[in-house]
Amino acid sequence: EVQLVESGGGLVQPGGSLRLSCAASGFTFSTYWMDWVRQAPGKGLVWVSRINSDGSYISYADSVKGRFTISRDNDRNTLYLQMNSLRADDTAVYYCARVYDGGYWGQGTLVTVSS
Amino acid sequence: QAVVTQEPSLTVSPGGTVTLTCGSSTGAVTSGHYPYWFQQKPGQAPRTLIYDTSKKHSWTPARFSGSLLGGKAALTLSGAQPEDEADYYCLLLYSGGRWVFGGGTKLTVL
Repeated sequence: EVQLVESGGGLVQPGGSLRLSCAASGFTFSTYWMDWVRQAPGKGLVWVSRINSDGSYISYADSVKGRFTISRDNDRNTLYLQMNSLRADDTAVYYCARVYDGGYWGQGTLVTVSS
Repeated sequence: QAVVTQEPSLTVSPGGTVTLTCGSSTGAVTSGHYPYWFQQKPGQAPRTLIYDTSKKHSWTPARFSGSLLGGKAALTLSGAQPEDEADYYCLLLYSGGRWVFGGGTKLTVL
């Protein structure tokens, strides 16, 4: 069974940083592209970033480019999202997802940016 | 950046049929956009119903089906049940490896 478990969310001040993690199991993590998706309170889903299987190809939404960094550790079956220069409009539930080949989602982790 | 459009809201009667659509500002939606459909209920993570236009998961109720219709991706619900009331999102893949979500359709079963 595919499982994705996010962690690392919390309350952070504007301008601060946070690193999210996503522990994957139930599939061969090292062979799949992975994505981060977010959802602001009461709003729709927004794709944030994706990374290919070996980390050599990365793509970002314009809204986070230059501030967020996606990475992965295939030995630890873990996906990361390093978020810097956080703003109030980054407040959202962040989901780890294996979109490609079926679409599998984690339960999400809440990031709140507020002073 | 491409914009993906969905009906903001739709209402269907119990037992009825409804079609949700997903359009692209760049032109016709094709299988090359690998259309996905997700269902999300309040307080829950999204759940994938349809991927690659029309493929289903083992947990996808048979009453849901995906297709391409009139230049758009479509999700058809035949025989709506009260538990189908939810938000539905489509997702399309664009060049450069970017996914773009539609704004979502709030489906009411009434």
